[in-house]
This record gives sequence, structure tokens and C-alpha cells, in this order.
Amino acid sequence: TQLLEQSPQFLSIQEGENLTVYCNSSSVFSSLQWYRQEPGEGPVLLVTVVTGGEVKKLKRLTFQFGDARKDSSLHITAAQTGDTGLYLCAGDSGGYQKVTFGTGTKLQVIP
Amino acid sequence: GAVVSQHPSWVICKSGTSVKIECRSLDFQATTMFWYRQFPKQSLMLMATSNEGSKATYEQGVEKDKFLINHASLTLSTLTVTSAHPEDSSFYICSARDLGRGLYEQYFGPGTRLTVT
Repeated sequence: TQLLEQSPQFLSIQEGENLTVYCNSSSVFSSLQWYRQEPGEGPVLLVTVVTGGEVKKLKRLTFQFGDARKDSSLHITAAQTGDTGLYLCAGDSGGYQKVTFGTGTKLQVIP
Repeated sequence: GAVVSQHPSWVICKSGTSVKIECRSLDFQATTMFWYRQFPKQSLMLMATSNEGSKATYEQGVEKDKFLINHASLTLSTLTVTSAHPEDSSFYICSARDLGRGLYEQYFGPGTRLTVT
């Protein structure tokens, strides 16, 4: 069974602070996605990383895929209250195999 | 593009009745749809994977006779919770992907909140 552990599980920070969320596994993934989910809604895709060592930026969000494609990180610069939500990483083993979701990180940004 | 809808968004039903939830891909053909269950403040738990025209593959511990999944077309999958009980109350989310187009990401519906009284 593939497992994706996210850390921290919960994070509460002040607006303007920086933070990093980690997604770790012992398994290799062909790609990895990051999603943000708000209460009562479905997850929204933020980014897909495919190549080991790849770094993608989405405004204040920076995503990195580990060289061995087993882990990933999400860094948010100058967090805003609108960043509040549940962040989920999801690893894809390719083809018709199912996607494995991480344990989730609940982020709360306080004004 | 890649919009997925779910209907209904919220349903309350009595114990013992059945409830059907629809999942539609609105602007692409979904070769595969996934059904998830999510408890408060937790991650998504995959229930089953359905490919168009074939039987769904259920995850271990998920009762296939209780959670009936039908993927009759490339744009529609349904989940029927049969003889619902209060412990079935949860947030059910579907997602869709189109491997034929190289669309490897899953796109999620907005979810359906089921409350069984």
C-alpha cells in the first residue's frame, strides 16, 4: 500500500508569514498533484509536477518535486487569509492506477 | 475546462432509504471516475474506481452491494447508497480523469453532503 504522509497536520499562522508543507512517501510516483480544498467543497487542483527536481511557481506558491520523485513540498510566501484551507498532495503511479492521497494539512491564516 | 458537477449538493434522508448521487463531467469525456468519502477534517478515502462500461473496482472494506456504482456513459457516473444508515452520513466526492487525452490529473466535483437521520 502506498502512503503519502503530510506534515504538519495542522498549521495556524499570522497573515504575512511564510510556511512550508511537506509530502513524503517511500514510493516513487510518476507525477504528483497538489490540491486545496475549502469546507463543503471539492478539492481544486493547484499544480502537477512530473519531473524529479522540478520546481513550479504559482504566484506566492512554490511547489517542488523531489529528485527521486518520492516527496514534494509546497511553500507559501506571505500567506493571506485566502490561503486558508485543507492542502492535499496526491501521487499518481501512472497509467490506469489509482491516485494516492496524502493525509492532508489544514492551514489557517489569521488576519 | 475540466469541470465536474455533482447532484445533489446536499441530501437528508431517513434511515433505510436509498439515495442516488450523480457525477457528471461537463466539458470532457471521463474514461475513469472515482468516488471518495471524506470525514470532517480528514483526507479523502477512495471508495471505488469506475471505468465507463465496466464494473466498478471497490477498495477493501467498501461494500459493493451497499454502494452501487454505475458508469453508463463517458460523462456520467452514479453512486447509490442503498438502505442508508446514520453511519453512512458523510461528504461524498467524485472525480474524473480522461487518460485518452493525456489528462492525468483528477478533477473533482463539489461534493455531496449526505445526512441520514
